[in-house]
Amino acid sequence: NAGVTQTPKFQVLKTGQSMTLQCAQDMNHNSMYWYRQDPGMGLRLIYYSASEGTTDKGEVPNGYNVSRLNKREFSLRLESAAPSQTSVYFCASRGTSGVTTDTQYFGPGTRLTVL
Amino acid sequence: RKEVEQDPGPFNVPEGATVAFNCTYSNSASQSFFWYRQDCRKEPKLLMSVYSSGNEDGRFTAQLNRASQYISLLIRDSKLSDSATYLCVVPRGGYQKVTFGIGTKLQVIP
Repeated sequence: NAGVTQTPKFQVLKTGQSMTLQCAQDMNHNSMYWYRQDPGMGLRLIYYSASEGTTDKGEVPNGYNVSRLNKREFSLRLESAAPSQTSVYFCASRGTSGVTTDTQYFGPGTRLTVL
Repeated sequence: RKEVEQDPGPFNVPEGATVAFNCTYSNSASQSFFWYRQDCRKEPKLLMSVYSSGNEDGRFTAQLNRASQYISLLIRDSKLSDSATYLCVVPRGGYQKVTFGIGTKLQVIP
């Protein structure tokens, strides 16, 4: 099992450009999450999806959109990138049975720089 | 009080030392807590869960003090490989959403 995978690993954008961050998990988890991590701020929730077909806003959703394409995949889109969106983005998934119920499993992250 | 508060450190300790970090939380209804470990430029990974008074796993002990609303992580016989940032995590009304602390950085020195 690959766990949670994210692409790309690194990306540099110019202000106003758009891009989509991809995330996939092969653990048959229902819940998936997108976080951003900035120095001194900790991980902040952007959007999450409790199950296929549902998405909800987290703490910092402005400037982002998400799509839960199927149970495996959850993508994050920046429609018009801004320098304030320079960050490390992590995708995570969470199981709903047994020991996986309360543990979030993270992907390796995408390091995004917006110039 | 912030939802989750941690001393960012860094804590610089010699190999073999015992070190402890605290994490305070504001939601008195929280029932369970977690410590995640994050290595430099890597993703967070679950280290320990704390469901009642505490949990022990080898050199690591996590304890919960509900009266004072804090959890602690104790690392005995520190190894160089323990150098990382330790994130305190508190669920918000169930496990669907959680709050991460900013993390405490530990540097174990030879």
